[in-house]
Amino acid sequence: GAVVSQHPSWVICKSGTSVKIECRSLDFQATTMFWYRQFPKQSLMLMATSNEGSKATYEQGVEKDKFLINHASLTLSTLTVTSAHPEDSSFYICSARGGSRQETQYFGPGTRLLVL
Amino acid sequence: GQNIDQPTEMTATEGAIVQINCTYQTSGFNGLFWYQQHAGEAPTFLSYNVLDGLEEKGRFSSFLSRSKGYSYLLLKELQMKDSASYLCAVMDSNYQLIWGAGTKLIIKP
Repeated sequence: GAVVSQHPSWVICKSGTSVKIECRSLDFQATTMFWYRQFPKQSLMLMATSNEGSKATYEQGVEKDKFLINHASLTLSTLTVTSAHPEDSSFYICSARGGSRQETQYFGPGTRLLVL
Repeated sequence: GQNIDQPTEMTATEGAIVQINCTYQTSGFNGLFWYQQHAGEAPTFLSYNVLDGLEEKGRFSSFLSRSKGYSYLLLKELQMKDSASYLCAVMDSNYQLIWGAGTKLIIKP
């Protein structure tokens, strides 16, 4: 149990385009979902926390107009990187909390974004 | 402020035992987590401790002392596949996870 999927796993796009990443909890209802970013050889950085049906809470320094988060249902959250630039290239990982272990975050496999 | 400390890197030998320590200072405590992260992959959940003591799960065990703000992850019978980063994270009073920077564990044959 507690499986989280992410799609796509890889994205290569041109500068200026928008990229949407989906995060789904497959076998449990996720009351809260989290979006992280990780640059090579660096720690996980929490970008935002989202609860189903409400606006996401963004961490300091994360532009909410650039990283749009929608948590429309208890099993799906999306992150849209708008007008992506090369410096947005990173490993984006979502996690979900809920199900039988309400306290534990289960991570998706991550999405590698490369902006040319 | 809130702080999680763990060693940056450790080296151990295949078949041996290694202990990865984590100390924390947080505003409130609602449990401590250990995650494993292989290079280029997302973290996977290893353990959760909210009460003092040792939790054993196969080759991995996790210990917590709330009074000392201290935890360790113990890996026995090390295998090459255990080479990874091990992340310590504490859930604070707001149920937010505070992450350590991770300990890179290198296993040598």
